[in-house]
Amino acid sequence: GESVGLHLPTLSVQEGDNSIINCAYSNSASDYFIWYKQESGKGPQFIIDIRSNMDKRQGQRVTVLLNKTVKHLSLQIAATQPGDSAVYFCAENPNTGNQFYFGTGTSLTVIP
Amino acid sequence: DVKVTQSSRYLVKRTGEKVFLECVQDMDHENMFWYRQDPGLGLRLIYFSYDVKMKEKGDIPEGYSVSREKKERFSLILESASTNQTSMYLCASSRHNSGANVLTFGAGSRLTVL
Repeated sequence: GESVGLHLPTLSVQEGDNSIINCAYSNSASDYFIWYKQESGKGPQFIIDIRSNMDKRQGQRVTVLLNKTVKHLSLQIAATQPGDSAVYFCAENPNTGNQFYFGTGTSLTVIP
Repeated sequence: DVKVTQSSRYLVKRTGEKVFLECVQDMDHENMFWYRQDPGLGLRLIYFSYDVKMKEKGDIPEGYSVSREKKERFSLILESASTNQTSMYLCASSRHNSGANVLTFGAGSRLTVL
């Protein structure tokens, strides 16, 4: 399978600070990426996606950055809130079909 | 509210038992997937299906089978459960060949095999 990894397995941030979660992917042919959020006891939920023809995409309080040169993806959360505490996964689609390959996840803890 | 429903949230089975995990989606999605999620290993694809009565092996199909008799329903079957199949199982669905084939996940089924 594809290798999609995260640099840090855990991250703690103070409420109100910005969070940055990183992800490395291995397949340079991947053309579509998604960030998912998984809260305790729930399935992963879509946060934001980005295609390989873009290097930045913004949503509400979240921004995804894609650096194809070094095969790196990051998720930035502005003004982190306690409700942002969860495990965050990046997923890549290697353009071989409808399959996605997932990273191991980063656990984000927001300190009130 | 569109969703993927996994009928069993928690199951406890004994080694050697046959286990059925059911998944239903109401979004008329063509694609359906079964993943297992283990600490430190992330989500690994077991089986997927692009159409009724169609199935494809994922990365870790050994010990599992699937059934897709109707478009909305995708079942994961453990013919003879083993302790190493204790895990969280996640079902997902997506549109086929759409511009943004986002996976929508169910809440998960946590299986313990004793």
